[in-house]
Amino acid sequence: GENVEQHPSTLSVQEGDSAVIKCTYSDSASNYFPWYKQELGKRPQLIIDIRSNVGEKKDQRIAVTLNKTAKHFSLHITETQPEDSAVYFCAASIGHDMRFGAGTRLTVKP
Amino acid sequence: GAVVSQHPSWVICKSGTSVKIECRSLDFQATTMFWYRQFPKQSLMLMATSNEGSKATYEQGVEKDKFLINHASLTLSTLTVTSAHPEDSSFYICSAMGQANTEAFFGQGTRLTVV
Repeated sequence: GENVEQHPSTLSVQEGDSAVIKCTYSDSASNYFPWYKQELGKRPQLIIDIRSNVGEKKDQRIAVTLNKTAKHFSLHITETQPEDSAVYFCAASIGHDMRFGAGTRLTVKP
Repeated sequence: GAVVSQHPSWVICKSGTSVKIECRSLDFQATTMFWYRQFPKQSLMLMATSNEGSKATYEQGVEKDKFLINHASLTLSTLTVTSAHPEDSSFYICSAMGQANTEAFFGQGTRLTVV
């Protein structure tokens, strides 16, 4: 089955700096890669996603890149703000079989 | 986005009793629902995947007789923790996927405390 690895497990950045979270997946058939943000005490919510026919997608300060050959994808947050502090999860899926990475706790220091 | 409602948001029960947690998709038909357990500061641990009308598929190491999952309709899945013990205390969270898309929508989670 699919196995998703996520790094780093914790990340601390200064406000205004960029943050990058990386994930790798094992099943080359995976075709959908969402990223979720979970704030303390709240449910995970989708912040951006990318499909296997696209190499990069951007939405304001967040962007995701996908390298199908290497089977890895990354989340990039620019100009970080304290409200970006949360746990971020990557996932890889084939149809309705979705597997999550272990999560990255991002702390943005003011 | 679509709405998934989980109930109750928190529950305290005595050791040895059973607790039922409901996960409802309010505005779409959820053909697949997922149940996760999340420990403090840790990742989402997938417990099982359920498709409407069929038996749930449990992940390795998850006791199917202890964590009963029912997905009897396209809008409701339930997780019953049977004969709960203090070590079952955790945050349980569900997510749901519809037929047409691949995005998973999460419920708000249930904090279970077994005393």
